[in-house]
Amino acid sequence: DTGVSQNPRHKITKRGQNVTFRCDPISEHNRLYWYRQTLGQGPEFLTYFQNEAQLEKSRLLSDRFSAERPKGSFSTLEIQRTEQGDSAMYLCASSPGTGGFAFFGQGTRLTVV
Amino acid sequence: EDQVTQSPEALRLQEGESSSLNCSYTVSGLRGLFWYRQDPGKGPEFLFTLYSAGEEKEKERLKATLTKKESFLHITAPKPEDSATYLCAVQDERRSQGNLIFGKGTKLSVKP
Repeated sequence: DTGVSQNPRHKITKRGQNVTFRCDPISEHNRLYWYRQTLGQGPEFLTYFQNEAQLEKSRLLSDRFSAERPKGSFSTLEIQRTEQGDSAMYLCASSPGTGGFAFFGQGTRLTVV
Repeated sequence: EDQVTQSPEALRLQEGESSSLNCSYTVSGLRGLFWYRQDPGKGPEFLFTLYSAGEEKEKERLKATLTKKESFLHITAPKPEDSATYLCAVQDERRSQGNLIFGKGTKLSVKP
């Protein structure tokens, strides 16, 4: 499969626990994005990497959220001290250096109980 | 403030009944407008990018058009497999290329 890969697909966690999601972009795509989508809403931008550099972060990305992309390959999104409001689908997307469109992964569905 | 509004929220069609979905937007400067298809529990699937007013793109039964204020996704003779949520997103030239602003989507149901 040469698409964007996200793991895990589903995660159920207790409030207050930390969770980490992984995204493997399409190889040779140097741009990687994280989005969050809640039920009935469109995806909302969280953050953007070009290679290993995190170039933009949304105001939605509170201090409890951190994203990394070591060596410009895969990326991780960590949420510390999860809250029920963090329950959502977390989507990763990647795109090549040219062109503005993005290929999305299947997402990680987070449920905080 | 950048905004994307999609209408209708939901649309039910009979197989073969053509229709259009609307996406109206407000941005300072449009870098691009995107259409995606999203099936339940899955990530959005890229359909089209439009860059300037008057541009049109086609793919199978779908045709996307763009004006200065809105875009339309025309569905000709839809089939049940076209049932999905269709998302519209815009890229403002003031934002980074990956920072898309999405609408809430139109949920399309096509009955056989």
